[in-house]
Amino acid sequence: GAVVSQHPSRVICKSGTSVKIECRSLDFQATTMFWYRQFPKQSLMLMATSNEGSKATYEQGVEKDKFLINHASLTLSTLTVTSAHPEDSSFYICSARQGGLAGGSITDTQYFGPGTRLTVL
Amino acid sequence: DQQVKQNSPSLSVQEGRISILNCDYTNSMFDYFLWYKKYPAEGPTFLISISSIKDKNEDGRFTVFLNKSAKHLSLHIVPSQPGDSAVYFCAASVSGTASKLTFGTGTRLQVTL
Repeated sequence: GAVVSQHPSRVICKSGTSVKIECRSLDFQATTMFWYRQFPKQSLMLMATSNEGSKATYEQGVEKDKFLINHASLTLSTLTVTSAHPEDSSFYICSARQGGLAGGSITDTQYFGPGTRLTVL
Repeated sequence: DQQVKQNSPSLSVQEGRISILNCDYTNSMFDYFLWYKKYPAEGPTFLISISSIKDKNEDGRFTVFLNKSAKHLSLHIVPSQPGDSAVYFCAASVSGTASKLTFGTGTRLQVTL
């Protein structure tokens, strides 16, 4: 299957600092990438949709000025958590969308990165 | 409003037997469904998907069944193996919405020896 990498895998930072997380599709081009957040023992919550060459689309309740998303190329999207606070501590996961045709049906699958554990002290 | 529900938070199955994970949805606009497997502190791994034009899709030990009238899908794993122990999420999307996925709450599967 398609491979998506995420860097860093783990980051610890002080309150008030900014943290950048990178998401790369390694073996395919992704015009659309997604950023999720997962709290302990909960499902994945979509934060925003990142479109190559255009502004990201944020889900309701997600602060766009807090979570800056840049999708500068077809293989790279970045999420910057600005002025991080302890409540921003979470597991952040990106995914890249790959569409195609298989078995006569249109497929549209998101492949996920390994996630980034952010801890804000 | 939880549009995709997995009502069983956990499931325990003996090695070699069939594992059946269930998922219900409420949004009739959903027309593409996926199952993901997830280990702690890792990203979800894609397993299998199904389009609403089909009612069954099979890939090796994994089969997904879709019952559109009941708004229900299930994932069958046969035979179950200890390495299948993980949290399984079903997800749904609507065509033309940039593939935004709505995830279920997950079912933790434990395959015992």
